[in-house]
Amino acid sequence: AQSVTQLGSHVSVSEGALVLLRCNYSSSVPPYLFWYVQYPNQGLQLLLKYTTGATLVKGINGFEAEFKKSETSFHLTKPSAHMSDAAEYFCALDSNYQLIWGAGTKLIIKP
Amino acid sequence: SAVISQKPSRDICQRGTSLTIQCQVDSQVTMMFWYRQQPGQSLTLIATANQGSEATYESGFVIDKFPISRPNLTFSTLTVSNMSPEDSSIYLCSVEENGGQGGAYYGYTFGSGTRLTVV
Repeated sequence: AQSVTQLGSHVSVSEGALVLLRCNYSSSVPPYLFWYVQYPNQGLQLLLKYTTGATLVKGINGFEAEFKKSETSFHLTKPSAHMSDAAEYFCALDSNYQLIWGAGTKLIIKP
Repeated sequence: SAVISQKPSRDICQRGTSLTIQCQVDSQVTMMFWYRQQPGQSLTLIATANQGSEATYESGFVIDKFPISRPNLTFSTLTVSNMSPEDSSIYLCSVEENGGQGGAYYGYTFGSGTRLTVV
């Protein structure tokens, strides 16, 4: 069965520090993977996606993620956190036109 | 990518009543999805709505409780029927987008959500 695991329900970093949000997946077929962000009281916004091709994917707001097949991972990073990055982040896997969601990671930015 | 207008953005409803949520897309899409996001949790797929056919419901969701309409390729509604406080959630619609010719894969776009509180 396909699944998505996000390590850490809450991640706290200082402003200006590296952001690393972890996502591991399980899939029997080559996966399509997504990161979405949800700001308080808002819907979901696509940050970036991996379908095929280059394994390092760049998204909006300075975020990027690297698809590592050998590690079944798709971790999200940003070199320098900003206060406006405080939100909940969801990793998702496309399984035959259904998204399999991780539990989400709440990113907290300390001033 | 598609732009989705979802209404209402929030509502407070009495238990036992029903609420219909509308989702309007600015382009024609084949597949539309309805999700529920309970407080502090991830998203759960309620059903998939394709134009011209009955919606397909996920385990734990039934048509009598969550009737869905999909009258054309740009519009869908989800009704939450006979509401109870346990139905208090954010409800989101989503569309799957593919590029036109060539079938470039784009992914999924979401509406801004409907925050429902049942009292």
